[in-house]
Amino acid sequence: EIQLLESGGGLVQPGGSLRLSCAASAFTFSSYAMSWVRQAPGRGLEWVAAVSNTGAVTYYADSVKGRFTVSRDNSKNVLYLQMNSLRAEDTAVYYCAKDLSVAGPPFDYWGQGTLVTVSS
Amino acid sequence: DIQMTQSPSSLSASVRGRVTFTCRASQNINNNLAWFHQRPGKAPKSLIYAASRLQSGVPSRFTGRGSGTAFALTIYDLQPEDSGTYFCQQYNSYPHTFGQGTKLEIE
Repeated sequence: EIQLLESGGGLVQPGGSLRLSCAASAFTFSSYAMSWVRQAPGRGLEWVAAVSNTGAVTYYADSVKGRFTVSRDNSKNVLYLQMNSLRAEDTAVYYCAKDLSVAGPPFDYWGQGTLVTVSS
Repeated sequence: DIQMTQSPSSLSASVRGRVTFTCRASQNINNNLAWFHQRPGKAPKSLIYAASRLQSGVPSRFTGRGSGTAFALTIYDLQPEDSGTYFCQQYNSYPHTFGQGTKLEIE
């Protein structure tokens, strides 16, 4: 069964940094693009970032561009989101998601999410 | 960026009933539209892609239609587990924006 397991969330002060991980299993990780999606408390879903299957191509939402970096380690089947210069408005549950096919989006599988809280 | 607008924002329906949600894109997205269902405190679940194709394991009670800028999701024979929030997402161009969601309550 395909599984995506996020980790690395927690409480961080404004201006601080955090790195999220998403461990993937039961599929050929290196064949699929992956994405991060977040959900602020009581709000809707916000697409955050995506990375191609090789890691060579990345895309970002304007709200995180220049502060967040998405990457992956295909030898370890892990997706990352490095988050710097964190702001209160970055507080959210962060989900990783897998593309449906090797040809591209949309998503078929989601992780269970990890909570990031930015507060002093 | 492409804006996605869902309506209504919420609605109630009865078990075994039928509901239809709509999703409108601010520009042509062809059929590059997906629908997701989320129950409180849970991760989203993928329902439909390419506007009308069911994800594996999704019952045929769910039907998607549309192309271009106007899309709809209809759920027939409503079940209690269908309650929650439904989101549409365009993946025609980055950023892959979501609609704000429609909250469904099953009476």
